[in-house]
Amino acid sequence: EDQVTQSPEALRLQEGESSSLNCSYTVSGLRGLFWYRQDPGKGPEFLFTLYSAGEEKEKERLKATLTKKESFLHITAPKPEDSATYLCAVQAGAGGFKTIFGAGTRLFVKA
Amino acid sequence: SQTIHQWPATLVQPVGSPLSLECTVEGTSNPNLYWYRQAAGRGLQLLFYSIGIDQISSEVPQNLSASRPQDRQFILSSKKLLLSDSGFYLCAWSVVRRGFNYGYTFGSGTRLTVV
Repeated sequence: EDQVTQSPEALRLQEGESSSLNCSYTVSGLRGLFWYRQDPGKGPEFLFTLYSAGEEKEKERLKATLTKKESFLHITAPKPEDSATYLCAVQAGAGGFKTIFGAGTRLFVKA
Repeated sequence: SQTIHQWPATLVQPVGSPLSLECTVEGTSNPNLYWYRQAAGRGLQLLFYSIGIDQISSEVPQNLSASRPQDRQFILSSKKLLLSDSGFYLCAWSVVRRGFNYGYTFGSGTRLTVV
């Protein structure tokens, strides 16, 4: 069964304390892995898409990496405004319409 | 630029009442449209997707239905709401080319509480 698991469920950091969020997946025929940021009461905001193992993408303090079994979202020197829920999702199969989302990691960054 | 509008933002409805949530997309033609539901502490669950007018696929058997009367309009409906229909509903659109989804753009969501 296709599955996406994110860990930890919640992460509390001090401002400037770098860390990583994990997204492990078991899907047949990975077509893409996505990272989204979601603020409370709002829709998710697209961050990255990764398509193949070894690929990396960066945006400001965020860097996403992909292996054959998992993806990491590295947060370097986070600021309080980085506090949000980060969602990982994978596209499974060739149709382009089946995307499986993880439950998310809630990140809290304290000043 | 493409924008997606979803309304209402919040809704409190009694059990057994009807539901209609609307979503419109601007700045793109023939988008792939989706309705997702998000339960607290759980991942987004795909409810419906549409690749064109009157072309709708249902992913989960449930008390809900979807319609796409116009190219950039997607509607989620129910004839009689259940308590279990409560949740955060999200409309989204994406580009899919050659079987690859290039990522979703989500609306701002509707918080539905069935009482």
